Amino acid sequence: RKEVEQDPGPFNVPEGATVAFNCTYSNSASQSFFWYRQDCRKEPKLLMSVYSSGNEDGRFTAQLNRASQYISLLIRDSKLSDSATYLCVVNEAGGSYIPTFGRGTSLIVHP
Amino acid sequence: EPEVTQTPSHQVTQMGQEVILRCVPISNHLYFYWYRQILGQKVEFLVSFYNNEISEKSEIFDDQFSVERPDGSNFTLKIRSTKLEDSAMYFCAISDRRNQPQHFGDGTRLSIL
Repeated sequence: RKEVEQDPGPFNVPEGATVAFNCTYSNSASQSFFWYRQDCRKEPKLLMSVYSSGNEDGRFTAQLNRASQYISLLIRDSKLSDSATYLCVVNEAGGSYIPTFGRGTSLIVHP
Repeated sequence: EPEVTQTPSHQVTQMGQEVILRCVPISNHLYFYWYRQILGQKVEFLVSFYNNEISEKSEIFDDQFSVERPDGSNFTLKIRSTKLEDSAMYFCAISDRRNQPQHFGDGTRLSIL
């Protein structure tokens, strides 16, 4: 059974802090990876794709470690508006394409 | 402006009734998906649809579920005989390529009584 695991948190951090989440996946053949954020009772919204070389978008940095089968998300200078649940999504390789979501990591940024 | 709109936003239905959830992409996309999220649980893939046919489906997507794109724009999910456990948020998503990021609609909350 293919699994995507995340620490549910919550991570409670003050404004301005740096926080990092990991997501582990079980299928070594997984091909593409994404981070989404989800606000309470809302739809998931794409935060960023995760590339093999790592990628950065403003305060957000995503990395992929294929050897250890995990992806990470680093948020610098946390804002109150970053409070949300962060979902890891892993897509399989080969003929079957079924995206697998993690349960999400809850982040609470407080003043 | 959202790329995908879903209707209705909330549907309340008696157990055993049929429901149809609708998804309308704002512009042309190639791939369509349905997901569900039971309250407090993770997002679960149901089905993907490409070129007017199902391309993948999960074990959740059994005979009581069906999808179609009746008029080339709307994309619908039908649940034939609803059960209490079908109560969930249902999200439609679209993408331009099979392995690319998806954009989600704002969901339909389905409540089965």
